[in-house]
Amino acid sequence: DQQVKQNSPSLSVQEGRISILNCDYTNSMFDYFLWYKKYPAEGPTFLISISSIKDKNEDGRFTVFLNKSAKHLSLHIVPSQPGDSAVYFCAASAGDVNYGGSQGNLIFGKGTKLSVKP
Amino acid sequence: AAGVIQSPRHLIKEKRETATLKCYPIPRHDTVYWYQQGPGQDPQFLISFYEKMQSDKGSIPDRFSAQQFSDYHSELNMSSLELGDSALYFCASTFRGHGYTFGSGTRLTVV
Repeated sequence: DQQVKQNSPSLSVQEGRISILNCDYTNSMFDYFLWYKKYPAEGPTFLISISSIKDKNEDGRFTVFLNKSAKHLSLHIVPSQPGDSAVYFCAASAGDVNYGGSQGNLIFGKGTKLSVKP
Repeated sequence: AAGVIQSPRHLIKEKRETATLKCYPIPRHDTVYWYQQGPGQDPQFLISFYEKMQSDKGSIPDRFSAQQFSDYHSELNMSSLELGDSALYFCASTFRGHGYTFGSGTRLTVV
């Protein structure tokens, strides 16, 4: 059963507009959420994260919103740029007992392919 | 800044052969995680090591084994390779669970 779900396999947005990527999760033990960007044949590149004690985290053009009651998070990119075109993975982790609550292994969603058109 | 280094970048093996993938974490990172991403699939966690001991295990086949060495690099050993093992294999490293950074991956093709 997929614990982290990205229900939209693709999203197309015009340059300058907002891109909104969504992610749902089922495991209430998840307490840390991350978004990664991935180009073909490359490793995932970290974008932004949020811990479960927050409901919003912002870094430049990227903002992640977390709705714990709905077990939903979203990544907003504004303004979108053609260079943002990539596959975006949502990932979640539960506190790792080895480290007293920091990140353990990541559970990934299936990814959303974002295309930003000039 | 130093990143996570994986070698080789590409590897082609025949069925039933063995393969060894290497991962060199960011300096001072003490934990290594291995992930497998098949074509059109999301990355799946295989196994992790903290301070040279296995710390967690995911969907790693019995034909695969891994270890972390004294210099914190890790090797994933894959035996009796099958066509379905063709995938992109990523490793990531952290310092005590923080600062997750992925390598560029090793693309394994089994023919």
